[in-house]
This record gives sequence, structure tokens and C-alpha cells, in this order.
Amino acid sequence: NAGVTQTPKFQVLKTGQSMTLQCAQDMNHEYMSWYRQDPGMGLRLIHYSVGAGITDQGEVPNGYNVSRSTTEDFPLRLLSAAPSQTSVYFCASSYSAGARPQETQYFGPGTRLLVL
Amino acid sequence: QKEVEQDPGPLSVPEGAIVSLNCTYSNSAFQYFMWYRQYSRKGPELLMYTYSSGNKEDGRFTAQVDKSSKYISLFIRDSQPSDSATYLCAMSAKSSASKIIFGSGTRLSIRP
Repeated sequence: NAGVTQTPKFQVLKTGQSMTLQCAQDMNHEYMSWYRQDPGMGLRLIHYSVGAGITDQGEVPNGYNVSRSTTEDFPLRLLSAAPSQTSVYFCASSYSAGARPQETQYFGPGTRLLVL
Repeated sequence: QKEVEQDPGPLSVPEGAIVSLNCTYSNSAFQYFMWYRQYSRKGPELLMYTYSSGNKEDGRFTAQVDKSSKYISLFIRDSQPSDSATYLCAMSAKSSASKIIFGSGTRLSIRP
């Protein structure tokens, strides 16, 4: 198993550009989520999904869109990039959707995004 | 005020020492408590998971939860240089288990 994979590893954008961060898992996990990690702020939940076709907002959803058309993929879209979105983005997945997704949450290696 | 507070460190201890890492929280609804380890430029990995109060031990690691004080701890015995990493606490409520709130992380360095 590849686990949780993320592409690209690193990206530079100009303000106003859009892009999609890719996340895929091959563990047949129901629960997937996106976090951003900023210095001194820890990980903050952006959006999450408890299964294909079901998504919900986390702590910091503004400026980001998600969709979940398959169990394996959970892309994160930046609609119009802003310098405040410069961060490291992590995707995570877990097989325990609903009650206890936190029991076995696996993280991807992260995407470093710089918005100029 | 943040829901979860964690001292950012850095914390530097000699090899073999017992390490104590802590978090405090304000939301009394939190029931699930986790500790993650994150090496530099890597994704976090789940170390320990506990539900409600009490202790849990796994090898050199012990997690403690004191819900009355809203305080959780992670102890590392016989610390090794390979334990040098950032340690993040995380927690969630039973009613919104999918919304996991993380602390900001404590940077730990074990000196050989």
C-alpha cells in the first residue's frame, strides 16, 4: 500500500491564481480530511469527508473547496490564492468514519504552498 | 483563547531522561485524546489514542488524561535521540468526533 499520497510536494502561486491539491489513499478509508499547518498554530482542519459524496467544513474553510466523488480521492481547490494561504497542507484518512475517525488517522507527506 | 493550549518549547533533555509533554484544553465536551509525533518536514503520525480519562501505556510511552483538570500528558521513558521531533496533542468531542482540534506542538530534542 502507498498509504496517503499528496501532489505536488511544493508549489508557488501568484495571488489570484487557482489550483488543486491532490490527495489519494489506497486503504479504502471512509474518512478523509485536509489540514493546514502554520508556525505556532498547529494543524487546523479545513474540510473533511465521511464518505464519497459527503463533505463538511472544518475550522478554516474559507477560500477552499472540496468534493469527494470516489472513496480514494479528496482534492482541495484554492479558488483565488491569497498570501494568507501560504502554508503546509496535509491530507489525512481513517477507516473509522463517524464515531472514531481519530483512532487510526494516517497523514500524507504534505504539500508546501507559497503564494506570492 | 485557543481551545487547546500547548507549550511550543523547545524542550531539550539528555538521552535516557523521562520526558513530560502536556496540553490543557477548555472544551469539557472533549472525550477523545490523541498524541501525534511529527518529524521535520514529514506528516504527523499517531502515537497514542485514549478515550475519556485514565492512563494508557505503549512501550516507552504513557498517555494520561485528567478530565477534571482538563489536562493531558504524554510521558516518554528512557528517551532516545530518535524521539527528537515535534509532539502534537489533539482532541475531539463525542458529538463531533470528525472535528479534531490540534495543539500547536512542542518541539523536543534529545541530546546524546
